[in-house]
Amino acid sequence: NAGVTQTPKFRVLKTGQSMTLLCAQDMNHEYMYWYRQDPGMGLRLIHYSVGEGTTAKGEVPDGYNVSRLKKQNFLLGLESAAPSQTSVYFCASSHLEGQTINEQFFGPGTRLTVL
Amino acid sequence: AQKVTQAQTEISVVEKEDVTLDCVYETRDTTYYLFWYKQPPSGELVFLIRRNSFDEQNEISGRYSWNFQKSTSSFNFTITASQVVDSAVYFCALSEALGGSNYKLTFGKGTLLTVNP
Repeated sequence: NAGVTQTPKFRVLKTGQSMTLLCAQDMNHEYMYWYRQDPGMGLRLIHYSVGEGTTAKGEVPDGYNVSRLKKQNFLLGLESAAPSQTSVYFCASSHLEGQTINEQFFGPGTRLTVL
Repeated sequence: AQKVTQAQTEISVVEKEDVTLDCVYETRDTTYYLFWYKQPPSGELVFLIRRNSFDEQNEISGRYSWNFQKSTSSFNFTITASQVVDSAVYFCALSEALGGSNYKLTFGKGTLLTVNP
C-alpha cells in the first residue's frame, strides 16, 4: 500500500511555462484534494474532487486547473506559471463513510519554484 | 465562514516540559469535525486525531492528550514530557460542509514547536 503519492517531488519552472502535478492514491478513496502550503499561511485548498469526473474550486483556484479522469488519480495543472505559484503542493484523499467525515491522508508534497 | 485560529506561531520548550498548543475555531455547522496534524521537518503531514462535535470527551494517547471544549470553541493539544522528536509544526483543522456529503478542511496557520535537549 503506497497510500498517496505525488509526482514530481521537486520542480523549477520559468514564468509562463506549464506543468502538471500528478497525485495517485491506492486506497479507493472517493475524495481527493489539492492544497498549497506557504510560509505562515497554513494549507489552503486549491481544488477538490468528490468522485471520478467531478471537480470543484476551493479557496485559491485561480491559475490552476484539475482533472479526475480516474478515481485513483487527481491532476493539478498550471497553464502559465507565475512566481506567486511558488509553493509546496500537497495532495490528499479521504474516504466517504455515510455522514462521517474521515481524516485526509496526505502525499509527501511537491516543492515548486517559479522563476 | 469557517475559521481556525492557532494564536501561538512558535513555541520553544526544553525536553521533558509539558506544552499545550491552542486551537480556537468558528463554525456555523451544527455537526463538524476537528483534527490535529503534525508536520515534522521532513515535511509530510501526519494525522494525529479526529474528534466530532458530539463527543466532548477528552482523549489521551500516550504522551498526547486533547481537550475539546465546545463552550469555548477550543480543541487544545497537550504534549506531556516533551521530546526532541516532537519538534514539528502542528496544524489544527476544522471540517466545513459544502452540501450533500461533501466537505473540506479549513486549516489553522500552524504552531511551530521546538523541543530543545
